[in-house]
Amino acid sequence: EAGVAQSPRYKIIEKRQSVAFWCNPISGHATLYWYQQILGQGPKLLIQFQNNGVVDDSQLPKDRFSAERLKGVDSTLKIQPAKLEDSAVYLCASSLDLYEQYFGPGTRLTVT
Amino acid sequence: KQEVTQIPAALSVPEGENLVLNCSFTDSAIYNLQWFRQDPGKGLTSLLLIQSSQREQTSGRLNASLDKSSGRSTLYIAASQPGDSATYLCAYQGGSEKLVFGKGTKLTVNP
Repeated sequence: EAGVAQSPRYKIIEKRQSVAFWCNPISGHATLYWYQQILGQGPKLLIQFQNNGVVDDSQLPKDRFSAERLKGVDSTLKIQPAKLEDSAVYLCASSLDLYEQYFGPGTRLTVT
Repeated sequence: KQEVTQIPAALSVPEGENLVLNCSFTDSAIYNLQWFRQDPGKGLTSLLLIQSSQREQTSGRLNASLDKSSGRSTLYIAASQPGDSATYLCAYQGGSEKLVFGKGTKLTVNP
């Protein structure tokens, strides 16, 4: 069974630029999550999708972050414009049963 | 406020030693608790998941316990090996379905 795929693995941008991350969950997993992990911290949930719909986006900075999950499969997370404090690893996870989550390798973003 | 505390923040042990990692959480109404391993620059690998109705789970040299009443979980690693060196994260899932993570314990096993 293929795992959660994410791309790119690494990205370096300057502040005020925009960036997008892509995630392909495990086949058949209806729930998809995006987490932000700042160095030295545990992951923090940004947004949770159930199929196409948003379940929880309470910690998503909506003035600069956006996410979509078209057709209930792949998802894209966008940051526009980026700030220095957005430097982090962005993790995507998926779940079949809302309990056990499976994580992708993450995208390491550096904002200079 | 939902919080997870992991102690110690870092641990260095010689190879072969048995060790315990601690996790405490504030939410008494949890669905499950999960232990993850994270290698540098990598994503999270799930090690053990304990449902709220369970007291412990075992996988190979790993044993995780859960005490909901005290808000604590422990991860026991037997006969540690250099390959066990990683950061270990504890996370619980409460009523909101999202995972709430601790900051992790960075484990170094010296040959």
